[in-house]
Amino acid sequence: DAKTTQPPSMDCAEGRAANLPCNHSTISGNEYVYWYRQIHSQGPQYIIHGLKNNETNEMASLIITEDRKSSTLILPHATLRDTAVYYCIVRAWNTGNQFYFGTGTSLTVIP
Amino acid sequence: GAVVSQHPSRVICKSGTSVKIECRSLDFQATTMFWYRQFPKQSLMLMATSNEGSKATYEQGVEKDKFLINHASLTLSTLTVTSAHPEDSSFYICSAAREVTSNQPQHFGDGTRLSIL
Repeated sequence: DAKTTQPPSMDCAEGRAANLPCNHSTISGNEYVYWYRQIHSQGPQYIIHGLKNNETNEMASLIITEDRKSSTLILPHATLRDTAVYYCIVRAWNTGNQFYFGTGTSLTVIP
Repeated sequence: GAVVSQHPSRVICKSGTSVKIECRSLDFQATTMFWYRQFPKQSLMLMATSNEGSKATYEQGVEKDKFLINHASLTLSTLTVTSAHPEDSSFYICSAAREVTSNQPQHFGDGTRLSIL
């Protein structure tokens, strides 16, 4: 079962930062936070993941709160191509557990 | 570039037909792959875990005789939908990871859209 809660939908103006929140209040010490996105009729695309430190790559930044009960995915300059459903997933790294998807956030970038 | 490839991308066939979907890891060996199903406007639902050289592990409610999984090599897993009916029409997606027991992310194929007439 999914262990995360996300708002069902969000809008963001093109060129502005998109901040997508995720609540994972029951996260365990060995669980990482992963973010994926799915553009219509495609497979999910990996974005970023982290354990407790903030992470940044060429696509996005991941901010994890100190108590690890929530996180925020930041797309610094949203473009129309960032319109997608964004999934936040928690997964233990050392048990081979599968990825269980929640309902995600449908992000619409507006021109 | 893509690290997990699915084939075919789309299948349309008659009711009662069996359909095979292939999932390949392109540049790494995957002892474990995963199969998901996604209905319109819904999230991905994990169907089964495919293990190289052994039987697949199915999620609760997924019929193992209906959805046959074969993982004969470290780079290929196949899902066969046997005697498909219209209710089996869905978007089927596979994934694989270089190492399952690590923090490495899974990589997903582009999915197979199955339509049963």
